[in-house]
Amino acid sequence: DTAVSQTPKYLVTQMGNDKSIKCEQNLGHDTMYWYKQDSKKFLKIMFSYNNKELIINETVPNRFSPKSPDKAHLNLHINSLELGDSAVYFCASSQGLVVEQFFGPGTRLTVL
Amino acid sequence: GIQVEQSPPDLILQEGANSTLRCNFSDSVNNLQWFHQNPWGQLINLFYIPSGTKQNGRLSATTVATERYSLLYISSSQTTDSGVYFCAVERGSGYALNFGKGTSLLVTP
Repeated sequence: DTAVSQTPKYLVTQMGNDKSIKCEQNLGHDTMYWYKQDSKKFLKIMFSYNNKELIINETVPNRFSPKSPDKAHLNLHINSLELGDSAVYFCASSQGLVVEQFFGPGTRLTVL
Repeated sequence: GIQVEQSPPDLILQEGANSTLRCNFSDSVNNLQWFHQNPWGQLINLFYIPSGTKQNGRLSATTVATERYSLLYISSSQTTDSGVYFCAVERGSGYALNFGKGTSLLVTP
C-alpha cells in the first residue's frame, strides 16, 4: 500500500552510461515532482508535471529528461552520467499545485 | 527566489528534553511543510501548516505567516527523533517546494 514508490532504491553505474529511475504513486494525485538532494543534504526541485504536462523545468542539464506516461507515473531518464550526478533523487506527488506534497523513499545514484 | 533559513543548524539533546526549531522565510508563502528525514533517508511529512497551529502527539508547529516564520516544537524527545528536520515553502510561482538547509538533531540516551 506504498503511496509513492521509486525503483530502484540504489543505482551504481559508470560515467557515461544512461540510466532511468521510475516513480509511481497510487494516491490518485495529478501533480508529480522530481527533487535532487546533494551530498550536503540540500533539496532542490528539478521538474514538476501537472496532468502529464511539464510545468517546472529548473536549470537542469539537458541530459536529464522526465517522462510522464500517465498521471500516476513520472520517470527520470539521465543520459551520459557524470560524477556530479551522484545524489539522492526524490519523487513526490500532490493533488493540485498548492497543497501538501508526499515524497517517495528516494533513489541513491552513485556514478563511478 | 525565496530564502528559507532554519536554525539552529545542529542540535544535540538528551532524551526527554524539549526543543524548538525555527524556520524564517523571506516572502509570503502559500504552502509550508515540515519534514523529518530519518537516518535511513526517508522524508516523512510532519505538518502541512501554511498558517496557524497544529499538534500531533509530542510534536507541534506554529506558522505566523504575517511575520514570515514557523516553529516546530518537539517535546520529551526520544532517540527516534534523531535526523534532519526540513522546512519547505512554496510561493505559488511554479509550485515547487523551496527547502531550507535543515536542522540536524541528535537525541542521546
